[in-house]
Amino acid sequence: SQTIHQWPATLVQPVGSPLSLECTVEGTSNPNLYWYRQAAGRGLQLLFYSVGIGQISSEVPQNLSASRPQDRQFILSSKKLLLSDSGFYLCAWSTGEELFFGEGSRLTVL
Amino acid sequence: GEDVEQSLFLSVREGDSSVINCTYTDSSSTYLYWYKQEPGAGLQLLTYIFSNMDMKQDQRLTVLLNKKDKHLSLRIADTQTGDSAIYFCAESKYSGNTPLVFGKGTRLSVIA
Repeated sequence: SQTIHQWPATLVQPVGSPLSLECTVEGTSNPNLYWYRQAAGRGLQLLFYSVGIGQISSEVPQNLSASRPQDRQFILSSKKLLLSDSGFYLCAWSTGEELFFGEGSRLTVL
Repeated sequence: GEDVEQSLFLSVREGDSSVINCTYTDSSSTYLYWYKQEPGAGLQLLTYIFSNMDMKQDQRLTVLLNKKDKHLSLRIADTQTGDSAIYFCAESKYSGNTPLVFGKGTRLSVIA
């Protein structure tokens, strides 16, 4: 069966520090991969999605970036975090009609 | 443009039915989804409906789609305290391979 893992689950970082959130999917091949952010009262915002290795589409201009070094690995990064980057980050995967989410990574930037 | 709207809060008594409503603007939406999010967790896919259907039932869940009015609803029969969560409506033009557009979520509170 397919599973999705993302880590770390919780992260507290100072402003200006770098960020790396990792997501991996098991049990499937060539999935579409997504990063969403959930900020309080603002629902889910699509940040990046990828249809294949090295192919990244950005939905919102910001100081975050994404990479897909392997078929089932999706990484969200930042060189310098801002206070506004705080939120709940969700990785998701899909190979058809259904979209499945990881358990999320809560980032607090102080 | 794409926009999905939901009311933010709903409170019901245990044992009653809950109806969570959603409207969307994109008439080319092909799939419409309901997700459930419990505190501190990711989103769990509850059910989805293809746009050529007007109803789908799965145990206590009933999804109704009015494509003409671009209105989607989720009915939970015999609501339990374990149903307390945030429910997200989402739409997609083609399939899950196309990024979903989500509403802001409806927080359902079940009163014992």
